[in-house]
Amino acid sequence: EAAVTQSPRNKVAVTGGKVTLSCNQTNNHNNMYWYRQDTGHGLRLIHYSYGAGSTEKGDIPDGYKASRPSQENFSLILELATPSQTSVYFCASGGGGALEQYFGPGTRLTVL
Amino acid sequence: GEQVEQRPPHLSVPEGDSAVIICTYTDSATAYFYWYKQEPGAGLQLLMSVFSNVDRKEEQGLTVLLNKKDKQLSLNLTAAHPGDSAVYFCAAENTGGADRLTFGKGTQLIIQP
Repeated sequence: EAAVTQSPRNKVAVTGGKVTLSCNQTNNHNNMYWYRQDTGHGLRLIHYSYGAGSTEKGDIPDGYKASRPSQENFSLILELATPSQTSVYFCASGGGGALEQYFGPGTRLTVL
Repeated sequence: GEQVEQRPPHLSVPEGDSAVIICTYTDSATAYFYWYKQEPGAGLQLLMSVFSNVDRKEEQGLTVLLNKKDKQLSLNLTAAHPGDSAVYFCAAENTGGADRLTFGKGTQLIIQP
């Protein structure tokens, strides 16, 4: 079964601070995705990647950067965290012909 | 791009009854559809994937119906039990490319013991 892990699982940050969320997948999938989940909005795509060295903007990229240094790792970076970025963040991997995505357990981020 | 509406947002049914969740989509060219389950504090778990050439698919007490004429996808849980309590999401291939999925906003399903 697909295996996607995220770290940290919980994070408290201060406004203006830098936050890095990490994701690792052992499925050898080409594509990786970062979503945030908020009540009333469902899942919203922030950034995604087609492979090492590639990052693409999703639907809500403002205030976020992404980095894909290898096939296995995909990071989400908040350079200047704001309280509006308090949310649960999910990483996913995929890339098979049926476009299935496999999700990590999520990171709960609180920005004070 | 694809848009997906999911209903109802909340659903409560007695144990042993059936529960039905419905999604409507906009792009008739969509080829792949998915149902995910999210339990508290966890990520989304893929329940079932459906290709557009299928009208009905059944797996382990779950039935997915695809009505391409009405652009409607439904998930039917038969004989629901408390372990089915979770948030369910439908998702559709985003035909705008980039291997993206468009998700519904989710249905909170509660099975009453």
